[in-house]
Amino acid sequence: QKEVEQDPGPLSVPEGAIVSLNCTYSNSAFQYFMWYRQYSRKGPELLMYTYSSGNKEDGRFTAQVDKSSKYISLFIRDSQPSDSATYLCAMTPPGQKVTFGTGTKLQVIP
Amino acid sequence: GAVVSQHPSWVICKSGTSVKIECRSLDFQATTMFWYRQFPKQSLMLMATSNEGSKATYEQGVEKDKFLINHASLTLSTLTVTSAHPEDSSFYICSARLDREVQPQHFGDGTRLSIL
Repeated sequence: QKEVEQDPGPLSVPEGAIVSLNCTYSNSAFQYFMWYRQYSRKGPELLMYTYSSGNKEDGRFTAQVDKSSKYISLFIRDSQPSDSATYLCAMTPPGQKVTFGTGTKLQVIP
Repeated sequence: GAVVSQHPSWVICKSGTSVKIECRSLDFQATTMFWYRQFPKQSLMLMATSNEGSKATYEQGVEKDKFLINHASLTLSTLTVTSAHPEDSSFYICSARLDREVQPQHFGDGTRLSIL
């Protein structure tokens, strides 16, 4: 079993839809959680960073962490074609290396 | 936000050539930098962790003599692929972390390496 599971997609949604991206994990030592967006042939860009259970909102993005269920989500409201990219979840115990999900490819159709 | 610059963005060279890739943190001091390799449609594979002023820590299976890493200052780390061969062709990405280990990594835009 992989430490981090992420549905690879692709996920296609119409413009304006609410997108839900998810990751599950098995290592209870993970304490810090991140979401990155990666456009084709570019490096990952940090979108959200959180270390507590609950929700964190930044503009159209909301990150949700449920440590009891070992489940994290990223919600994108009012999705735009420019949101089309691969989204990587990432997580780490304190002071150790980061474990990345395999990424979910998202396509927002105009 | 934290900016990491990686150069070059794309390099094509002949087999046997050594290639150097630079990674700079532009607006913060990065005690730790990381080098990743990414194959098409796959996630990031950590190659090594680079700490300023000390030797890099390589992941299992990564040849340290093949992939030379230097982290001479708090804002610059370099990866040199020595005697590159076609199987070394890949997308190499660096990242940097602020000097507190609980901070997230910020990535450069990657270097596409093609060995002919």
